[in-house]
Amino acid sequence: DAGVIQSPRHEVTEMGQEVTLRCKPISGHDYLFWYRQTMMRGLELLIYFNNNVPIDDSGMPEDRFSAKMPNASFSTLKIQPSEPRDSAVYFCASSLLGSPLHFGNGTRLTVT
Amino acid sequence: KNEVEQSPQNLTAQEGEFITINCSYSVGISALHWLQQHPGGGIVSLFMLSSGKKKHGRLIATINIQEKHSSLHITASHPRDSAVYICAAWYNNNDMRFGAGTRLTVKP
Repeated sequence: DAGVIQSPRHEVTEMGQEVTLRCKPISGHDYLFWYRQTMMRGLELLIYFNNNVPIDDSGMPEDRFSAKMPNASFSTLKIQPSEPRDSAVYFCASSLLGSPLHFGNGTRLTVT
Repeated sequence: KNEVEQSPQNLTAQEGEFITINCSYSVGISALHWLQQHPGGGIVSLFMLSSGKKKHGRLIATINIQEKHSSLHITASHPRDSAVYICAAWYNNNDMRFGAGTRLTVKP
């Protein structure tokens, strides 16, 4: 299995632009998580899905952030408009119920 | 309030030493994860546990539900164990909180 695949690996954009991060979970996994990691705040859970349905998005920082999972093999995290404080590494992870998390390699986002 | 406290923040050891990293959490978790993040940034899940003890190779994770405390032990540490170790508590209210991480350096 290829593991959790995230794209792009790096994204540099200007303030105000829309950013879309993508994630392909491991086939068969029914949970998908989006996390953000910064030096100041460490790792934070943004949102997670179960069977493609968003279960808890209380970690999403504000309305500029949105996430979708149109099918079991694809999810997106969108920031519109982006701001410099959104600069971070964004991780996607997937799992089966009661099983360990499998992380993607992350997307390093820089907003200038 | 769902908190996770990890200690120590930094740890330097000599190769071969026994290492312990501690994690305390608030009441009401359903599972606790131990993660390893290497300098390249990738994150690997080491353990997920809700009770007792788990072992994988030189790594051992324990959890004490009554004391709301978990430990990660590394026996016969090796320089390749150098990484940041993060504990994460999955709370019953669907909240997941992370410790600040322990940066481990094992010197040859």
